[in-house]
Amino acid sequence: DARVTQTPRDKVTEMGQEVTMRCQPILGHNTVFWYRQTMMQGLELLAYFRNRAPLDDSGMPKDRFSAEMPDATLATLKIQPSEPRDSAVYFCASGLVLFGQGARWNEQFFGPGTRLTVL
Amino acid sequence: AQSVAQPEDQVNVAEGNPLTVKCTYSVSGNPYLFWYVQYPNRGLQFLLKYITGDNLVKGSYGFEAEFNKSQTSFHLKKPSALVSDSALYFCAFYPDTGRRALTFGSGTRLQVQP
Repeated sequence: DARVTQTPRDKVTEMGQEVTMRCQPILGHNTVFWYRQTMMQGLELLAYFRNRAPLDDSGMPKDRFSAEMPDATLATLKIQPSEPRDSAVYFCASGLVLFGQGARWNEQFFGPGTRLTVL
Repeated sequence: AQSVAQPEDQVNVAEGNPLTVKCTYSVSGNPYLFWYVQYPNRGLQFLLKYITGDNLVKGSYGFEAEFNKSQTSFHLKKPSALVSDSALYFCAFYPDTGRRALTFGSGTRLQVQP
């Protein structure tokens, strides 16, 4: 039963510290997404990748957030320095999207999330 | 701007009764529409999707959704609600321009009372 995994599940840190969240997408999926969920803003798209290349990161605060895919089995989201307003649940999702002619946008599969608390 | 709207923050229904969670869309082109469910402290789980074809889409856990082009709606339904269906439900779509990633509605909390 293939699943998206995320680590850590919970993270408590102090303001100013670096936070790294990791995600292992489902093998064979070609797109990876990072979302953030808060009570106030709901689900927000932060960034996404296609075949490991970043396609869009316009949802992220550029000065402190960065997202990478060093290889097909690992996606990372880093916050440096972290701030209390970054407290949220961060979800990674992966999917198989068929691009080009006859493009087909399939469902995304979500990981369990990382609950981040910045004090 | 393209979007989906979930007009109800919360829906309450008695166990055994039919349930409906509403979603309307404002999407250009052929809409790709989805329903997801989120249980407490869990990630989102895919329920069903509409791409093309039959307007009635059947999904997981006995849920179904009806695509209605004239009313621009994609309501989620189940004939008989279970207490275990209590969760947060999200309608979502893929925009056909711009950021090609699932864009979610605000969510509807379903509470099924025993």
